[in-house]
Amino acid sequence: GAVVSQHPSRVICKSGTSVKIECRSLDFQATTMFWYRQFPKQSLMLMATSNEGSKATYEQGVEKDKFLINHASLTLSTLTVTSAHPEDSSFYICSAQLQETQYFGPGTRLLVL
Amino acid sequence: AQKITQTQPGMFVQEKEAVTLDCTYDTSDPSYGLFWYKQPSSGEMIFLIYQGSYDQQNATEGRYSLNFQKARKSANLVISASQLGDSAMYFCAMTPTGNQFYFGTGTSLTVIP
Repeated sequence: GAVVSQHPSRVICKSGTSVKIECRSLDFQATTMFWYRQFPKQSLMLMATSNEGSKATYEQGVEKDKFLINHASLTLSTLTVTSAHPEDSSFYICSAQLQETQYFGPGTRLLVL
Repeated sequence: AQKITQTQPGMFVQEKEAVTLDCTYDTSDPSYGLFWYKQPSSGEMIFLIYQGSYDQQNATEGRYSLNFQKARKSANLVISASQLGDSAMYFCAMTPTGNQFYFGTGTSLTVIP
């Protein structure tokens, strides 16, 4: 199957700092990637749809200035959590679209102190 | 509005037995895709199986099969010959457009030795 990687897998940062998470499709090109957030024991919550070469589409309630998304190439999308606060602590997971299926990265656990 | 319902928050199955995880969906779109993903404790979302709404036959992938009943709008996942490694969260998902996915709340499966 298609492989999607995420980096870092875990990150701990201080409140007020910014954190960048990378999502890469390793063996295919993806014009569309997705960023999700998952709270413990809950389902995935779509944050935004990232389109290569254009602005991301954010879901209602997601602050685009706080969660900056850049999809600079067909294999890389980045999510930057700006001025992170403890309430941003969560599991962030990306996916890349290949034909009809979304393939997910392994996720990034963010802990903001 | 699209909606995915998984009514079983937790399920137990004896090793080597078969188990069915329920999923119902609600959509007014004439064509859509149905998916099942497995999420072990590591967090990664693993694609298991796909069923297109116009597919005449139920999808099968190894020990996984999808019991698709279009009139009832159900897409149950059947896992045969359960293994200890099958213990995980299982999410049902649907996409009417091929882009945006809608996820259920998940079912936690525990395989008992």
